[in-house]
Amino acid sequence: DTEVTQTPKHLVMGMTNKKSLKCEQHMGHRAMYWYKQKAKKPPELMFVYSYEKLSINESVPSRFSPECPNSSLLNLHLHALQPEDSALYLCASSPSARGRVGETQYFGPGTRLLVL
Amino acid sequence: AQKITQTQPGMFVQEKEAVTLDCTYDTSDPSYGLFWYKQPSSGEMIFLIYQGSYDQQNATEGRYSLNFQKARKSANLVISASQLGDSAMYFCAMREGVGGMRFGAGTRLTVKP
Repeated sequence: DTEVTQTPKHLVMGMTNKKSLKCEQHMGHRAMYWYKQKAKKPPELMFVYSYEKLSINESVPSRFSPECPNSSLLNLHLHALQPEDSALYLCASSPSARGRVGETQYFGPGTRLLVL
Repeated sequence: AQKITQTQPGMFVQEKEAVTLDCTYDTSDPSYGLFWYKQPSSGEMIFLIYQGSYDQQNATEGRYSLNFQKARKSANLVISASQLGDSAMYFCAMREGVGGMRFGAGTRLTVKP
């Protein structure tokens, strides 16, 4: 089973709302990732969690707050977003936290976020 | 820093024919891995094929093969016997150590019936 699930599939929120994106994997992977993908662009890395600890934050604004409650779950809490934050948010996982160059990352279907 | 370049914004191919999607890369690391992902309009990134820098043979996975030319720093994806379901965005990517994937700009492939 190489499935990563994400909820919700679609989300519309106002600039004053607080919402959360959820990601789950049951493959026993120890590293999880959040990517942001704007229309017609490649995905860009936001955060990396290794062994449930935040290991990389790619200078993401504080209105995005990641959380890893356990090894299977990854959340992205959203607060006071701007319209330019509208994008596809992709979650991924990989088996080890050591970043082996040959290790595949498995992606979820993404959440399409629209900020009004 | 690593860099991935895909110079074909869009490609067309007739159903049942083969197509090559180009990817060049730049890295100073002697050990690296190159990946190809497919992204249909639904949004999910689907892993297709992997090539390691020390692999002696070109990678193959079903209808997908990777034409790896290390001296030229190219890792082109070849799709044989194209199907209508192959229409999608295709991204070449490289793993960056303990971080995430660095992706090229992508190529939109359209398969014509």
